[in-house]
Amino acid sequence: EAGVVQSPRYKIIEKKQPVAFWCNPISGHNTLYWYLQNLGQGPELLIRYENEEAVDDSQLPKDRFSAERLKGVDSTLKIQPAELGDSAVYLCASSLGLGNEQFFGPGTRLTVL
Amino acid sequence: DAKTTQPTSMDCAEGRAANLPCNHSTISGNEYVYWYRQIHSQGPQYIIHGLKNNETNEMASLIITEDRKSSTLILPHATLRDTAVYYCIVRVGDVQGAQKLVFGQGTRLTINP
Repeated sequence: EAGVVQSPRYKIIEKKQPVAFWCNPISGHNTLYWYLQNLGQGPELLIRYENEEAVDDSQLPKDRFSAERLKGVDSTLKIQPAELGDSAVYLCASSLGLGNEQFFGPGTRLTVL
Repeated sequence: DAKTTQPTSMDCAEGRAANLPCNHSTISGNEYVYWYRQIHSQGPQYIIHGLKNNETNEMASLIITEDRKSSTLILPHATLRDTAVYYCIVRVGDVQGAQKLVFGQGTRLTINP
């Protein structure tokens, strides 16, 4: 069974440019998460979806970050415009529900120059 | 505020048991203890979780003290592939009332040949 798929794995952009990350969760998983992980730190939740509804986006910087999960399957996380401080690993995870085991993708490593 | 306290780093010899401690002195009666690990350049991976009783699965054992204020994750026969950052997390894990995972900085475990 395929795990959580993320693309791209690596992205290098200049500041002020837009960038988007894509996530395909495990089939049948209704809950999808986007996490941000800075170097040397644990992951921090940005947003959680239950099907297509964003039920927890309290940590998402809404001035420059946006996310969508059309049709309740794949999800896209966007940053526009990117800042130097956005350099980090962006992780996607999915689970059957919030109380169930979370399965993480490999992440996208973003470098903003 | 962090709900758990873990050592920053630990070393263990290959083939020996690795015992990773975690303090969670303010744990509530309905909070579970979860362990995840993150191997370099990968997303976190679920290991085990428990409420009161000790738990064992194919990956590890979880020993929770009687007062539930601390726990130990045991990798019985550590291999080089167990080198990773190990996160101890406490949260309400019931399906209906589950809380989100909040990662700390974890313990960087190095298995030495």
